[in-house]
Amino acid sequence: AQKVTQAQTEISVVEKEDVTLDCVYETRDTTYYLFWYKQPPSGELVFLIRRNSFDEQNEISGRYSWNFQKSTSSFNFTITASQVVDSAVYFCALSGLGSEKLVFGKGTKLTVNP
Amino acid sequence: GAVVSQHPSWVICKSGTSVKIECRSLDFQATTMFWYRQFPKQSLMLMATSNEGSKATYEQGVEKDKFLINHASLTLSTLTVTSAHPEDSSFYICSARGVGGRSTGELFFGEGSRLTVL
Repeated sequence: AQKVTQAQTEISVVEKEDVTLDCVYETRDTTYYLFWYKQPPSGELVFLIRRNSFDEQNEISGRYSWNFQKSTSSFNFTITASQVVDSAVYFCALSGLGSEKLVFGKGTKLTVNP
Repeated sequence: GAVVSQHPSWVICKSGTSVKIECRSLDFQATTMFWYRQFPKQSLMLMATSNEGSKATYEQGVEKDKFLINHASLTLSTLTVTSAHPEDSSFYICSARGVGGRSTGELFFGEGSRLTVL
């Protein structure tokens, strides 16, 4: 069975602080995809990243960076110099290779205060 | 801009009525669409997979007679909540995986539809 755990329910930071959102996953698949989505108050899910299990390279996109550690089954997400517009619920998700079904974590609500 | 659009964004209905939610892929053909349900402050749970031209595949525990899914064209899937009750109140989100157009095979999510049953 697949499972995604986001242990942090809510995080509150002050603008310009760095913040890391944790994601730990469980799967028996040897190949799989990991995702991060942002859900702002408006409700839509915004795709941030997809990473396949073969690629353990860390990725940076602007103020966003992701740390994939297969050894600890973690796929953590860091926002550098956070901004108020980063306030949202962030979901980590997992799917098996060839499967389009996403298993989501419970989400982490990030509040960035001015 | 959005590539998957849902309508309505929010709906309030009386208990016992049926509500239809539409999910459209705007500039690509979506052979497969997915319907998720999200309770307040909860994660998204997959309800069903909608395949164009065939019956939807429901996840365990989801009542297929309660949540009717129709995927009649390559750009439209509909979810009908039949005889809605207050416990059906939730945020329903669709996603689409497409071919052609702007789609690269990635999953795109709609804006969601908030259903409140009184």
